[in-house]
Amino acid sequence: AQSVTQLGSHVSVSEGALVLLRCNYSSSVPPYLFWYVQYPNQGLQLLLKYTTGATLVKGINGFEAEFKKSETSFHLTKPSAHMSDAAEYFCAVRNFGNEKLTFGTGTRLTIIP
Amino acid sequence: KAGVTQTPRYLIKTRGQQVTLSCSPISGHRSVSWYQQTPGQGLQFLFEYFSETQRNKGNFPGRFSGRQFSNSRSEMNVSTLELGDSALYLCASSLARGVNTGELFFGEGSRLTVL
Repeated sequence: AQSVTQLGSHVSVSEGALVLLRCNYSSSVPPYLFWYVQYPNQGLQLLLKYTTGATLVKGINGFEAEFKKSETSFHLTKPSAHMSDAAEYFCAVRNFGNEKLTFGTGTRLTIIP
Repeated sequence: KAGVTQTPRYLIKTRGQQVTLSCSPISGHRSVSWYQQTPGQGLQFLFEYFSETQRNKGNFPGRFSGRQFSNSRSEMNVSTLELGDSALYLCASSLARGVNTGELFFGEGSRLTVL
């Protein structure tokens, strides 16, 4: 069985500060990992994904994440927060051959002006 | 290129009624998945369809069902509605199964309120 844990249901950072959203996963086989963002009253938008290859993955809107197998982590970072980054962020895991995505409980990011 | 389209966007039903939600995937996408999103349970997988066949199913009661048509459009149905079925129902499409990108494209959802 696969699972995802997102530490911190709410995170607040000042505009211009580093954004760090934490995600740890559990998977019996090498996982595929994803970060999605959800703005109010909208669906989910893919930020970035890790399947194979380079462990540092760059996504849209200046976000990136690093797959660390030894720590079973896939934390999301952005060097400088912008007001438009305020949203809810979901980490998800999927195993090869299984189309189902297992999501974490989400982290709501607030940006302080 | 049009995205994933879900209808209706909002609906209100009463307990015991049934509801049908519709999803039109991105043109050319053949896999459609459904997820339920609630504040308490988060995002939960309902089922996945490909080539008009249900390929994967989550842990939901039999009141939740779905189908996919030959044009890849999908519907999900919930019968005998309960208060706990109030949720945002999200549809997602992907190009094909086994394509190991795992990238799902989500619609904006259908928000169901059960009174």
